[in-house]
Formats: sequence, structure tokens, C-alpha cells
Amino acid sequence: GNSVTQMEGPVTLSEEAFLTINCTYTATGYPSLFWYVQYPGEGLQLLLKATKADDKGSNKGFEATYRKETTSFHLEKGSVQVSDSAVYFCARRNSGTYKYIFGTGTRLKVLA
Amino acid sequence: DAGITQSPRHKVTETGTPVTLRCHQTENHRYMYWYRQDPGHGLRLIHYSYGVKDTDKGEVSDGYSVSRSKTEDFLLTLESATSSQTSVYFCAISPEVVMTDTQYFGPGTRLTVL
Repeated sequence: GNSVTQMEGPVTLSEEAFLTINCTYTATGYPSLFWYVQYPGEGLQLLLKATKADDKGSNKGFEATYRKETTSFHLEKGSVQVSDSAVYFCARRNSGTYKYIFGTGTRLKVLA
Repeated sequence: DAGITQSPRHKVTETGTPVTLRCHQTENHRYMYWYRQDPGHGLRLIHYSYGVKDTDKGEVSDGYSVSRSKTEDFLLTLESATSSQTSVYFCAISPEVVMTDTQYFGPGTRLTVL
């Protein structure tokens, strides 16, 4: 089926540490892939996206590359800040549909 | 920010009562969605709409109904609320995919069913 699996949290890092949050998807069709971020008490907002294989999405120092060979879209940031503390969701949308499938979310806590 | 509002923002109700949540947008986007967010489950799609009076079920639609009589409003109704429907509900909107492949989310409604 169409699913998204992301690593369980919480992930706790010190400020300026390197971040990786893993996300894999089932290889059904050619989905668009997304990372959304949810800050405390707010709705989700788009962080970055990629619509085809080998595309790299980037925003605010975060990056993710659409890897068809490993069906992955891992989120990375070279140096996290306390303000990056939030819940991060990986998501997919299959071409030809308007449904988005979300992962379970990964909570990131960055300590000063 | 996309113009999306949800009302009410918080609601406490009792088992067996009907509840209606409202999502209102000012963006004239075609697609509207209702999700619920629960610990360990992430976001799950309840229903979505692809136009006025055009709706379809998501993965957790049992116990919920929706209506969209105007482009700007998408209502989610719990006909007879149960404790398992205690959750945070998010509305989202998106335009035609050819314009941008992005969803915009409302601030959420926290519903507690006692």
C-alpha cells in the first residue's frame, strides 16, 4: 500500500549538532515527498518538498534528497538550533491523487 | 500565511452529543481536508473535498460526516461523539497541484469527549 515510515522519537540533540531524521516510503508509483514541521501549539507548515527522483528539497538549513533506489527521503541539518525544536512529519502524495499520507511524526528537542 | 481559520479552537463535550467543527478559508482553494492527530498515529485523513458538494472518505472516516456547500467552508460533524474521537483536528487546504503541491494547515481544534 501507500505508506510512510519515519523514525520514532524523541530525538534529543545539543545545539549545533548534526540532525538526521529517517523517512522511507513504500514504492508505489512516483509520489511527491514532503517534510512538514509543527511547532508547539500550531498547525503544520511545509518545510521542504521534492517531486521526483534525485530532487533535493531545502529550506532554513534543512535538506532532504528523494532517493528512489532506497525509497527514502531523510531530513538533515548540519547544525541545529534550539528554535528547531518541533515535531517533524514526512509525507507523500501519489501522482493523480489529492490525498496526502503522513508519517507518525518525530519530536526533536534541541538543548542549549 | 494562508487564510484558514477553525472554530471552535477548543471544545469539551459529552459522549453521545453531536459536534460540528468548522473550517473556513479565504484563499479560494479547491481542495479541503480534515485530519485528526493522535499520539503514535501522526496525522490521519478523515475526509476530503475536491469541490463544492464533492467529498470523499479518508482512512478513518467511520463516525464522521462532512459537508461543503460553499468553496470557503468545510464542516466536519460527529453525529454522536465517542471518547475515541477525543483528538486534535486539523483542517488543510490546497490549490490545484499544477499550481503548487503544498497543503496549508489551520491552527487546529482540540476536542475532548467525556
